[in-house]
Amino acid sequence: EPEVTQTPSHQVTQMGQEVILRCVPISNHLYFYWYRQILGQKVEFLVSFYNNEISEKSEIFDDQFSVERPDGSNFTLKIRSTKLEDSAMYFCASSLTGGQPQHFGDGTRLSIL
Amino acid sequence: ELKVEQNPLFLSMQEGKNYTIYCNYSTTSDRLYWYRQDPGKSLESLFVLLSNGAVKQEGRLMASLDTKARLSTLHITAAVHDLSATYFCAVDTQGGSEKLVFGKGTKLTVNP
Repeated sequence: EPEVTQTPSHQVTQMGQEVILRCVPISNHLYFYWYRQILGQKVEFLVSFYNNEISEKSEIFDDQFSVERPDGSNFTLKIRSTKLEDSAMYFCASSLTGGQPQHFGDGTRLSIL
Repeated sequence: ELKVEQNPLFLSMQEGKNYTIYCNYSTTSDRLYWYRQDPGKSLESLFVLLSNGAVKQEGRLMASLDTKARLSTLHITAAVHDLSATYFCAVDTQGGSEKLVFGKGTKLTVNP
């Protein structure tokens, strides 16, 4: 069964550094999402992406965050200057169309020191 | 703003017992999802409920949706230890990005 893949599985970074989290959505899916989960808390929406542009973003997704689909397969989340509170599990998800079930990757655990 | 409330947040039960997890949401939606998450792992899709009155069953788990009451339930029958995990419900916002809004999760522990 096709799956969403995320790399790296764990990223440790110094505060203030830039990080890029990578995702390969399911190949024929058109909608892409990033969510995050702070340890022990619920999953929170960050951003959705469709037709090569952001379709919605949450309050968390400030100007330190950006997303990109640089080619036909990858979908990346960049945090320009990381803060301690960015430490979380970041999940990428994709769906065939809007309203179809979203398939989640295994996540990237981001630890900011 | 769509809010999703789950209860209970913590559930400790004995093997062989039955219990129900509740998921209430605040605005109209007829698309609701249940996910399972094991510690440190990703979200595994359990059920997709797409209409009022939808009922789906898989093994010892059964999920239902009442869109008029804005309520979904996840019923556990004769619990076994392997069901220990955190269960999240999520509601599709419909229209626009179709983002999911998650409940806080129910951490289920099934004791032998």
